[in-house]
Amino acid sequence: AQSVTQPDIHITVSEGASLELRCNYSYGATPYLFWYVQSPGQGLQLLLKYFSGDTLVQGIKGFEAEFKRSQSSFNLRKPSVHWSDAAEYFCAVAPYNTNAGKSTFGDGTTLTVKP
Amino acid sequence: DSGVTQTPKHLITATGQRVTLRCSPRSGDLSVYWYQQSLDQGLQFLIQYYNGEERAKGNILERFSAQQFPDLHSELNLSSLELGDSALYFCASSVLADNEQFFGPGTRLTVL
Repeated sequence: AQSVTQPDIHITVSEGASLELRCNYSYGATPYLFWYVQSPGQGLQLLLKYFSGDTLVQGIKGFEAEFKRSQSSFNLRKPSVHWSDAAEYFCAVAPYNTNAGKSTFGDGTTLTVKP
Repeated sequence: DSGVTQTPKHLITATGQRVTLRCSPRSGDLSVYWYQQSLDQGLQFLIQYYNGEERAKGNILERFSAQQFPDLHSELNLSSLELGDSALYFCASSVLADNEQFFGPGTRLTVL
């Protein structure tokens, strides 16, 4: 069965500092990996996705993520955090190239940005 | 704005009651997904429909049911409601052969 682990429940960074949010997954075949962001009272918004090709993927809002198959990781990074990045971030894994959208989400990481 | 709409935004009801949540997917999307998000359970996949047919089932209780209509909108029916059913219910949609899901703003259900 597929699973996603986000080891950090809560992270606090200063505005302008760099950010890395960790995500480890377990999946028996080629995974389809996603990062979503959820602002308070809002639905989830896709930041970026990976299923093949370059292991470093660029997303919206200046985020990027790197797929490392050997480590089963898909960590999210941003070089300089803005106050508006404060939100909850979810990593997800789904079966690749199927219509069975049984995405499995991690428990989320809440990001607080200090001024 | 993801293009996915959900109604109502908020719903307050009593234990034992039945409610219906509605979702309209993005134009052109054939797949609809339902999720429950609560503080203690996190984001849980409930069920997926593709072009009117059930495609995948997750942690959906027997008291809950869903369907997707010919115009592709979907409804999630929750019956015999319990206090623990209080949560945010999200609908998401995607096109065929693409697991990139676009989420609606959610319906907040409060069971008193």
